[in-house]
Amino acid sequence: EVQLVQSGAEVKKPGESLKISCKGVGYKFSSFWIVWVRQMPGRGLEWMGIVYPGDSDSRYGPSFEDQVTFSVDQSNDIAYLHWTSLKTSDTATYYCARSYGVAVAGTGMDVWGQGTTVIVSS
Amino acid sequence: SYELTQPPSVSVSPGQTARITCSGGQLGDKYVCWYQLRPGQSPVLVVQRDDKRPSGVPERFSGSNSGGTATLTISATQPVDEGDYFCQVWDSNLAVFGTGTKVTVL
Repeated sequence: EVQLVQSGAEVKKPGESLKISCKGVGYKFSSFWIVWVRQMPGRGLEWMGIVYPGDSDSRYGPSFEDQVTFSVDQSNDIAYLHWTSLKTSDTATYYCARSYGVAVAGTGMDVWGQGTTVIVSS
Repeated sequence: SYELTQPPSVSVSPGQTARITCSGGQLGDKYVCWYQLRPGQSPVLVVQRDDKRPSGVPERFSGSNSGGTATLTISATQPVDEGDYFCQVWDSNLAVFGTGTKVTVL
């Protein structure tokens, strides 16, 4: 079965760093883009950006440039979302999803992780 | 930056048809995808390429895109269809989600 398995919930303090993960299972991880999506409490979906596991090519949404970093462990089929200094406004649920990217016109994000809840509070 | 606008809420009686709109500049020139987000669950892709249903999505979900408006139609709506629905497009190699619509099945 094709799955994306995300790491567990996190509770952190402002200023701390954090890396959450998304592991691809059941498909060729290096051949699909991984999208990161944020959902703040009571809010909609926000596209954070996209990373290609094959070569770590990354693109960031305007609101997330310089705020987060994407990385990939190709050996273990894991994508990461990293913060160096968390803010309380980073409190949200973060989803990873599989995508063909813009190259395959019109295709959607067809497999989603279960979400990782991040709470940032002093 | 590109924006997609959806009505905040749509209410529908069980068995009736729900229509959710998504508006954006020259939207007819782009492909639209739709996602369902039910409470406590991850998003699910229900329509891609304007009107294509992924495998496993019930036939009661259909999509269209014409002019500046895309529409997700849920026919014979069931209580299980309650949730939030988001449209999405690609613009300048970045993805954009709509503002979201809460569907209530009364």
